Amino acid sequence: EDQVTQSPEALRLQEGESSSLNCSYTVSGLRGLFWYRQDPGKGPEFLFTLYSAGEEKEKERLKATLTKKESFLHITAPKPEDSATYLCAVPDSWGKLQFGAGTQVVVTP
Amino acid sequence: EADIYQTPRYLVIGTGKKITLECSQTMGHDKMYWYQQDPGMELHLIHYSYGVNSTEKGDLSSESTVSRIRTEHFPLTLESARPSHTSQYLCASSEYTGYGYTFGSGTRLTVV
Repeated sequence: EDQVTQSPEALRLQEGESSSLNCSYTVSGLRGLFWYRQDPGKGPEFLFTLYSAGEEKEKERLKATLTKKESFLHITAPKPEDSATYLCAVPDSWGKLQFGAGTQVVVTP
Repeated sequence: EADIYQTPRYLVIGTGKKITLECSQTMGHDKMYWYQQDPGMELHLIHYSYGVNSTEKGDLSSESTVSRIRTEHFPLTLESARPSHTSQYLCASSEYTGYGYTFGSGTRLTVV
């Protein structure tokens, strides 16, 4: 069964304190891995798509990487505005995205 | 600027009322989805559509129904709202299966 697991569930960082979020997945034939950011009370906002092991994508202080079994979202020198829940998702065998439970990140000044 | 629109943004309604949550997209996407999300909790797929006149139930059982008469429009209806329906409802669309989704801002529903 396709499964997406994110860790940690929550992460509290000081401004400037870099860290990484993990997304591990079990799917039969990876057809892409997606990262989203969700602010409270809003819909998820697309960040990155990764398709093959070794691929990396960057956007401002965020960098996503992909291996054959997991993906990492690295947050470098975070700012309070990076506080959000970060979700990863993979397509199942029918093409529907399976979302992880998310990692809630809080960055304090 | 959002290309997928949900209305209303917030709704407080009494038990037993019939409600329809609207979702429209201007991108011409065939695939559309409805998710339910409680505060701080996971997204749960409740309905999806792969095109006009095509609707399927999602992974989470829901008492709601959907219709897809036009490509751009995917409304969700609750015939008789109950307090257990209180949640955030998120609509999304994608160009192809397996592609990333574009989400709307959501409707926060409270049934009293």
